[in-house]
Amino acid sequence: GIQVEQSPPDLILQEGANSTLRCNFSDSVNNLQWFHQNPWGQLINLFYIPSGTKQNGRLSATTVATERYSLLYISSSQTTDSGVYFCAVSPSGSARQLTFGSGTQLTVLP
Amino acid sequence: GAGVSQSPSNKVTEKGKDVELRCDPISGHTALYWYRQSLGQGLEFLIYFQGNSAPDKSGLPSDRFSAERTGGSVSTLTIQRTQQEDSAVYLCASSSVAGGAYEQYFGPGTRLTVT
Repeated sequence: GIQVEQSPPDLILQEGANSTLRCNFSDSVNNLQWFHQNPWGQLINLFYIPSGTKQNGRLSATTVATERYSLLYISSSQTTDSGVYFCAVSPSGSARQLTFGSGTQLTVLP
Repeated sequence: GAGVSQSPSNKVTEKGKDVELRCDPISGHTALYWYRQSLGQGLEFLIYFQGNSAPDKSGLPSDRFSAERTGGSVSTLTIQRTQQEDSAVYLCASSSVAGGAYEQYFGPGTRLTVT
């Protein structure tokens, strides 16, 4: 099956810093989503981005489908950004079930 | 509108008992998915329903796991003869298929503990 690798596995930042999270995948995809899992376990949708670039406030994401990677940018980080960030993909031609990466644990210090 | 809801939020059961977990998808979403999140295995797909088509059961870990979806809406995941390794958070997601976009939205999960 498709492989999804996220890096870095852990990231510690001071409030106000910027960061880039990476997601590499091993095959062509028809769905790519970024999620933030908050401390209560809820998966919050950040971006649906199988290709291209999107921005939402301090967050933006870029997927280069031909090179099989996606980047999530967090600018001016806040303590509320802490949590685990997951990338999830479904391979082209599949029934759209998501395969998740192992996540990036982000800690933003005040 | 309302998001995906799941019940119960927590379930503690004894090894060998059967459990039922419920998912109410977002109104109008025709696709429904079950996943589970455990410490050792991360987030993994279990089963997928799309409209009236036969479900994709390729992620179910054993024949003790089954799921149904009634009337194209509410779904129930049943685990028979629970084992300790079934302890996990069970997550339900739904998506619309309109316009070819399948963005999935997740419920809050059911935390299952098998003692």
